[in-house]
Amino acid sequence: DAGITQSPRHKVTETGTPVTLRCHQTENHRYMYWYRQDPGHGLRLIHYSYGVKDTDKGEVSDGYSVSRSKTEDFLLTLESATSSQTSVYFCAISHKQGAAYEQYFGPGTRLTVT
Amino acid sequence: GQQVMQIPQYQHVQEGEDFTTYCNSSTTLSNIQWYKQRPGGHPVFLIQLVKSGEVKKQKRLTFQFGEAKKNSSLHITATQTTDVGTYFCAGPNGYGKLTFGQGTILTVHP
Repeated sequence: DAGITQSPRHKVTETGTPVTLRCHQTENHRYMYWYRQDPGHGLRLIHYSYGVKDTDKGEVSDGYSVSRSKTEDFLLTLESATSSQTSVYFCAISHKQGAAYEQYFGPGTRLTVT
Repeated sequence: GQQVMQIPQYQHVQEGEDFTTYCNSSTTLSNIQWYKQRPGGHPVFLIQLVKSGEVKKQKRLTFQFGEAKKNSSLHITATQTTDVGTYFCAGPNGYGKLTFGQGTILTVHP
């Protein structure tokens, strides 16, 4: 497996509190991604980064922000957590392999908002 | 925007039976990728297909990319209990991004 870690692995928080999830890679890959996974929806992109300080929104970015101050770290912040943000969050990294960008996923963070 | 649809959503098979999942894109794809996620695990890259009509095999798994590069399939011959999990297809959607299908959850009964 690629060198990707996520912290924390599990978190329970209350509605209205801010939460930050961390993704750390040791592969020096340029691209990093945050997804959420919910039953029946597959993997949906929240935000992604194509370099240090270069980030962009994905399809479900409302209520989330990200930062990437170093190549190896990509932070996802839930500004004010809501119950609808209860989910499993995956970080992924990629680099270009020929024509495609194969993605490698971290172990995931299970977040419960009560 | 681009949509990637996968069917079926669920599939239950007896061990030894074959299994197929289908992936359809609303747009022509430059390539398609397949991932497998074991229960409780994270998605793991399996393969990518690039050429129109391409067929690739990995042991009991056969992957096909349609002639029009808008659909793909994954076929598993003689399923084993180790094949359980969710299989996702994904197509490129802009620079460095992928759009994933909803996945097919495979259950194999021994």
